[in-house]
Amino acid sequence: AQSVSQHNHHVILSEAASLELGCNYSYGGTVNLFWYVQYPGQHLQLLLKYFSGDPLVKGIKGFEAEFIKSKFSFNLRKPSVQWSDTAEYFCAVNAMRVGTDSWGKLQFGAGTQVVVTP
Amino acid sequence: NAGVTQTPKFHILKIGQSMTLQCTQDMNHNYMYWYRQDPGMGLKLIYYSVGAGITDKGEVPNGYNVSRSTTEDFPLRLELAAPSQTSVYFCASSYGLAGGRGDTQYFGPGTRLTVL
Repeated sequence: AQSVSQHNHHVILSEAASLELGCNYSYGGTVNLFWYVQYPGQHLQLLLKYFSGDPLVKGIKGFEAEFIKSKFSFNLRKPSVQWSDTAEYFCAVNAMRVGTDSWGKLQFGAGTQVVVTP
Repeated sequence: NAGVTQTPKFHILKIGQSMTLQCTQDMNHNYMYWYRQDPGMGLKLIYYSVGAGITDKGEVPNGYNVSRSTTEDFPLRLELAAPSQTSVYFCASSYGLAGGRGDTQYFGPGTRLTVL
């Protein structure tokens, strides 16, 4: 079964600092990749997704992520964070290969809690 | 569209009691999912459904049951609640299975359940 690892559980940074959150997955086949965000007291919302094409994906609110197939990584970045980016961020992966027990199911990482201080 | 709605938002259950968490979506999505979220553990898939009348187990199905009699509704039932089922439960839906075409899952606001 595939697994998803997020390197940092908690990140604290100041406004205007740059953010990079790491995500690695273990599955060797073709995958779809997602970053979701959960703002305090709210439900999960999609930030961006990758399923084919340009490995640099741009999402909402100035976020982007780069898929590096050779490194099994899908790191999330934002050049300059704001206080409103305080949230928990989840990386999610699912396998594209029909017949595997991961097909059609999202595997989530444990999440990274990001706190942006004014 | 309301999207995915869940009721209740909060609930306290006694050990051994049963209850049903409700989930409804108005996007005519075929696929629906139930997750639980525990601190530091991410989201774990409990059950999912690929259409009315068809359900399947996810990663952590023990202690739960589901049914899907309509496209819109996907209730989750807890039988004989245990403290280990204290969690936040999220329902989600998607047009296609998340395995195909990068389909996005849309999440409900969650139900915070405490079992004492």
